[in-house]
This record gives sequence, C-alpha cells and structure tokens, in this order.
Amino acid sequence: DAKTTQPPSMDCAEGRAANLPCNHSTISGNEYVYWYRQIHSQGPQYIIHGLKNNETNEMASLIITEDRKSSTLILPHATLRDTAVYYCIVRGDNAGNMLTFGGGTRLMVKP
Amino acid sequence: NAGVTQTPKFRVLKTGQSMTLLCAQDMNHEYMYWYRQDPGMGLRLIHYSVGEGTTAKGEVPDGYNVSRLKKQNFLLGLESAAPSQTSVYFCASRKLAGKFYEQYFGPGTRLTVT
Repeated sequence: DAKTTQPPSMDCAEGRAANLPCNHSTISGNEYVYWYRQIHSQGPQYIIHGLKNNETNEMASLIITEDRKSSTLILPHATLRDTAVYYCIVRGDNAGNMLTFGGGTRLMVKP
Repeated sequence: NAGVTQTPKFRVLKTGQSMTLLCAQDMNHEYMYWYRQDPGMGLRLIHYSVGEGTTAKGEVPDGYNVSRLKKQNFLLGLESAAPSQTSVYFCASRKLAGKFYEQYFGPGTRLTVT
C-alpha cells in the first residue's frame, strides 16, 4: 500500500467547511483512497472512498488531484460532533485483508 | 439490530493471567477482524476470519489466539497476558460480497495488563 502523510492536527470553526489534506505521492494506478474517522472512545467509521474522480456522499466530499498524488476530504458544514481523528488510507483491491491505519489528523471543531 | 458488540468493555489483568474477548455481530457478515490500537497510534490487525471455522494471522498475531466456532462470534484469547498487550481492542465485520473498506466496528474493549 502507498504511504500517506497527513497533518497531525487541525482546527475548524463550527458551521464552516473542514478541509483535511492527505498526500499519497507513491499511489499506484489501481489503488483507492479511503477515509475513515474515529470519534473519541469509539470504533472507526467509514466515510468515503474514491479512485480518480471526485466523490460526494451524505457525510463528505472527496477531491482527488488529477495526478492522484494528493486528496482532500471536505466536511461542508462541520459540527462539534465531527471532532475526531481522520484517517486517509490508500490500498488496492488485491492488497489482502489488512486495513492499516496511520497516525491520522486530529480535527477539533470549535464553537 | 445491535451491529457489532464487544464484551467486556473494560478489563484489568495481572501479568500471566489469561482472558477471552468476545465479539458478536448480528448482520450475518462472513468476515470478522480483531484490531488493537495503542495510544496515539492507528489500528493494527491481529487476526481475522473469512468464515466460520477459519482464521488467519494479521500484522501483529503473536501472543493472541482466535476462534470462530459460530458465524456470528469471533473470540480473541490471551493465554498469558503481558504489559505490552495493554491496548484498546476493536472487533470489526463485513459482508463477503461487500467492499473491503466497508467494515463495521464495535465499541472496543479497553484492556490494562499490570
């Protein structure tokens, strides 16, 4: 799996968009970008994933650069409940059964 | 529909003691996983199962054993607990036909070994 780099922490004002970056410069052509989050003392929660096109669901939007070397997770209207650690993961479908989480970004949404 | 549940939620063990963590899911999922998460770190896969009666090693399997006698249950055993096994343990499950990323996690078991 490609290595990912995320800032260790970010702040965001409640109601504003939270933009969380992820660098994955060694990503291969068949590897997807996945985003999970983990709210304090809870299990991880899947948010969104993409290959090369931008994706949107009820939780967030995922913007992947044209060269696929980086991506941004966007929470359009952050709430206090979005305070969590956000993990960017890159892996291919044939990467076996391991889902490896790195350090992630600790997002603090402030009132 | 309770999803994925874990028992117990908290446990304190002394070095050398044994215990079993229970994971149960009511979603009829084929795949089940055990992860550990140490302070300030991401999750690491311990063992997993692709179906009843089958198990496989993950990234950090040493010191742990697992069993999947029933489809809905996945047990994680520590035969002789060590302080290095102090961690939060998460269980997860997913459908056979589902995407790998679409794992559903339990609330976790916080284990301290003194």
